[in-house]
Order: sequence, then structure tokens, then C-alpha cells
Amino acid sequence: DTGVSQDPRHKITKRGQNVTFRCDPISEHNRLYWYRQTLGQGPEFLTYFQNEAQLEKSRLLSDRFSAERPKGSFSTLEIQRTEQGDSAMYLCASSNVRDSLTDTQYFGPGTRLTVL
Amino acid sequence: AQKITQTQPGMFVQEKEAVTLDCTYDTSDQSYGLFWYKQPSSGEMIFLIYQGSYDEQNATEGRYSLNFQKARKSANLVISASQLGDSAMYFCAMRDPSGTGGFKTIFGAGTRLFVKA
Repeated sequence: DTGVSQDPRHKITKRGQNVTFRCDPISEHNRLYWYRQTLGQGPEFLTYFQNEAQLEKSRLLSDRFSAERPKGSFSTLEIQRTEQGDSAMYLCASSNVRDSLTDTQYFGPGTRLTVL
Repeated sequence: AQKITQTQPGMFVQEKEAVTLDCTYDTSDQSYGLFWYKQPSSGEMIFLIYQGSYDEQNATEGRYSLNFQKARKSANLVISASQLGDSAMYFCAMRDPSGTGGFKTIFGAGTRLFVKA
């Protein structure tokens, strides 16, 4: 059973450019989450999907951020017109709705974004 | 609102000794779940242990145990027989119902553990 994978692992971009990250969850997991982690802090929730439906978005997710999970499998997170404040680690996690008692979320290795 | 507090920014422990990482939480829910994750320098968050609010026994997973004191709202992680590979950031976290059926996880600020040879 493979874990959560994320691509790319590192991204360096110039301010104003658009970037897109991909997350592939554990195969039988129908819930998928995005978090952002800045240096020295714990991760902060951004958004979550159950199958293809985006059920919740944090106020942290400005209009420049959009996430999709078109077929209920992999997900993409796009940031438009990047700003230096977007520099962070973007973490993806997945869980199984059948594990509703704990809803343990398993995380991928993250995508580290640097905006110059 | 739910909140997780980790008051130890950094901890040192001698190899083979035990160490306790502190975590307190705040919630008005009667049913909740608490987690500990390990984050090595590579960045991946590794799930370590889970404690449900109605679990009567303290959770244990190998060298990890959770000292759950519900009345004090604390959920300290105990690592026994520390190893050099335990050097990492450790995050205490709580399951926060999203209202739409799923849960988001809220995290504390973390404790960096250094294991000395």
C-alpha cells in the first residue's frame, strides 16, 4: 500500500507567476486535505474534499488559491499571481471515511514553495 | 474554538532515556480525538499515536505512549528508550469536526526534540 505522494517536492517561482501542485492520496482514501505550514509553525488547514466535492475551505484560502479533485482521486492546488507570503510547505493528507472513529490523516512529503 | 498548546519549543534527551513532550488542549466538545505526529527534517508528517476522548486506557504504540489526563486537558507524549532517529519536530494535534462530515486537524506549534549520543 503506497502512501500519499506529492509533486513537485520543491518549487521556486518568481512573484506574480502561477504554480500548481499535485497530490495523489492513498488509493482507498476518499477524503483529501490540504494544509500550509510556514517555518516554525504547525500546519494550518486550507481545504478538504470528500470524493470530488470540496466541502470546506479555510479563510486562509484567498481568491488566488483554487483546489480541485475532478475524479475523486488526485487533487491539484493552484496559486495564481504568487506573492512572497505564499512561501511555505504545502502538505496534502488523506483519510478513509470508513475510519470515521479516528479519521487518522496520513500526510505526504509536502511541496516546498519559494517565491522570489 | 479548539486550541492546542505546546509550551516546550525545544527539548534535549540523552540516548536510551525516556522523554515527555507536553501538550494541553482546549475544547468544548465531549467527543474528540488527539494525535501526535513526528516531522523529521525531510518534512513528511508521520502519524505516531491516537487517543480518543472516551478511551479508558492510555494509548500505546511501541515506544510511544500517550499520558492522557482528561480533567487537566493534557495529552503528553512519552517516548521511551530514545534513539538518535527520534530527533525531529513533534506536533500534538486535535480532530476538529468540520461540520460537513469530515474533520480538519488543528496543530500545536510543535516541540523540537534533540537526542544526544
